[in-house]
Amino acid sequence: GAGVSQSPRYKVTKRGQDVALRCDPISGHVSLYWYRQALGQGPEFLTYFNYEAQQDKSGLPNDRFSAERPEGSISTLTIQRTEQRDSAMYRCASSLGSGRAGAETQYFGPGTRLLVL
Amino acid sequence: SQKIEQNSEALNIQEGKTATLTCNYTNYSPAYLQWYRQDPGRGPVFLLLIRENEKEKRKERLKVTFDTTLKQSLFHITASQPADSATYLCALGNAGNMLTFGGGTRLMVKP
Repeated sequence: GAGVSQSPRYKVTKRGQDVALRCDPISGHVSLYWYRQALGQGPEFLTYFNYEAQQDKSGLPNDRFSAERPEGSISTLTIQRTEQRDSAMYRCASSLGSGRAGAETQYFGPGTRLLVL
Repeated sequence: SQKIEQNSEALNIQEGKTATLTCNYTNYSPAYLQWYRQDPGRGPVFLLLIRENEKEKRKERLKVTFDTTLKQSLFHITASQPADSATYLCALGNAGNMLTFGGGTRLMVKP
């Protein structure tokens, strides 16, 4: 059984360019989460989806960041007009249930390392 | 604002000893708390869950306690092994399943 996959694994871009990061969750998982993790820090919540519906985007830093999950499976996190401060590891996670009962185990992907020059 | 504190300094212990990691939080009333393990270059891996109405949970050599009065969770690894060396993250959750992670504590178990 495949785990959560993310692509690309590494992305180097120039300041001002747009980037799209992809997450492929575990098949059948209802919820999908995006996090950003700085070196030596824990993951920082960005946004999450139940099926195709974005449930919470309170962690998105500003309006340059957006995410979608149009068919309730694969998700894309897009950063427009990238800035050097956007450089970080971006991690995706998925969970089997919707979390209404609380306490879903989240399965993390390997992450996309983004470097903005 | 919500704050989760884990000891940012690495914890160094000798093989066979019990490792105890601390997670303190403020301005938060979590419904549950989870502990994850993270190895270098990899994503976090779930270890244990404890709910607000539970005092203690065990899984093999792992034990977690949760004191909602002290706003603290302790994570214990008994009979530690060098393979237990990793960063351990606590994460607090609510009914909406959004997790808020602490900064993690790096554990080094020396043979």
